[in-house]
Formats: sequence, structure tokens, C-alpha cells
Amino acid sequence: DTEVTQTPKHLVMGMTNKKSLKCEQHMGHRAMYWYKQKAKKPPELMFVYSYEKLSINESVPSRFSPECPNSSLLNLHLHALQPEDSALYLCASSQDPGLLYNEQFFGPGTRLTVL
Amino acid sequence: AQRVTQPEKLLSVFKGAPVELKCNYSYSGSPELFWYVQYSRQRLQLLLRHISRESIKGFTADLNKGETSFHLKKPFAQEEDSAMYYCALKLELGGATNKLIFGTGTLLAVQP
Repeated sequence: DTEVTQTPKHLVMGMTNKKSLKCEQHMGHRAMYWYKQKAKKPPELMFVYSYEKLSINESVPSRFSPECPNSSLLNLHLHALQPEDSALYLCASSQDPGLLYNEQFFGPGTRLTVL
Repeated sequence: AQRVTQPEKLLSVFKGAPVELKCNYSYSGSPELFWYVQYSRQRLQLLLRHISRESIKGFTADLNKGETSFHLKKPFAQEEDSAMYYCALKLELGGATNKLIFGTGTLLAVQP
């Protein structure tokens, strides 16, 4: 399996809901990433996990809570979101964060709409 | 400050015409640069990395440290090249941690 998969593809939630986004890869990659992409904008990094430990948090509001249960899985827990959080959420992985020149592989994204 | 600049939001060319998508960067260290492409309704995917010095789908990109540029070129555009192209700079943060900084993207539209 050489892809990053994300579920669900689409998610609509109210501001009081709690939901989770899921990302999975079986390429043996040891770094995983969450990005947020607004329409017609580049991806913006949110979190990086390196060897299942959170290594970067780009000052993301606490209503977004990442979790890396094992080396293949990455979750993003959502609670009390705002309408401006509506965006495409991308997951990515890379082979080894310490390796030079290793690329990031992106999932197809979850399109999130907050009502 | 580290930054990636893509000055063109939209580049429209005719099929068979040459294409050059511009990318300039600002980085104090040794840069590691990539071009990512996002076709309509497809995932973001790597097109080129500067270290490989390869040609993918007819595209090439040369790192010019003097001009701090990494422009993407193709001699003859095809309609299937129409997509959003992002230039990205990899930042080493220490502790085996790194991140990508993306430019704002250039939408390439190849007209028949």
C-alpha cells in the first residue's frame, strides 16, 4: 500500500459537535503531518509527529487536538469549531524525518464544513 | 525570514508554448526545494525536487543560488499540464524535525 488514506472525505459539523478526522499510511513512514488548506490557498502546516511524538505545533487553537496512536495512524480531534475552520484538511507522511531529501506524500484530504 | 514567493497567481499559455513558473525563496541555510502539483480533484503530489536534477513529465527546475530561484520550466505545454503548482522549501528545525513552507501557488491553464 503506497498511499495515504483519509476518512471521512467530507464532514459537516455544528459548532458544538465533537468529531475526528483519521489518517492512515502503511508505508513505514515515521513522520506524519496535518495541514489546513483554504480555497485557492497553499497548505498551512498545523502539526508534525515524528516517531509518534508531537514535534511541531504551529500555534494551533486547542479546539484542534492531534493524536498519533501508532506509527500508521494519525487522528485530528475536533471540538467547538468555528465556521472559519471550514477548510480542506490534509494529512501527509514522510519516510524518516531525519533523512535528507525525503518527500512528503499527501492524502486526498477531508473537506470540513462547520455550520 | 524564510519565505517562498510565486509571483504569478495564474499563467495561461497555449498548447505547445513554453512554460516557466517562477519561484523565489529566502533562506539563510542550504535550501532544499520542491515543486508539488495539484491536478483538479486529485491529491497534492510531488513533481520535482532540486536534488534529483531530473525531468518529470517534461518539466525541469534548476536551483539558482545566486538568484535564489527555482523556476519550473517545460519547453512545450500540454493541456494535461493544467493544474495548480506549488513551490515548497523544506526547513530543518533540528532534532530530525522539518517542515515545508509552500508558496502561494500558480494556476497553470493550458489552452487548446
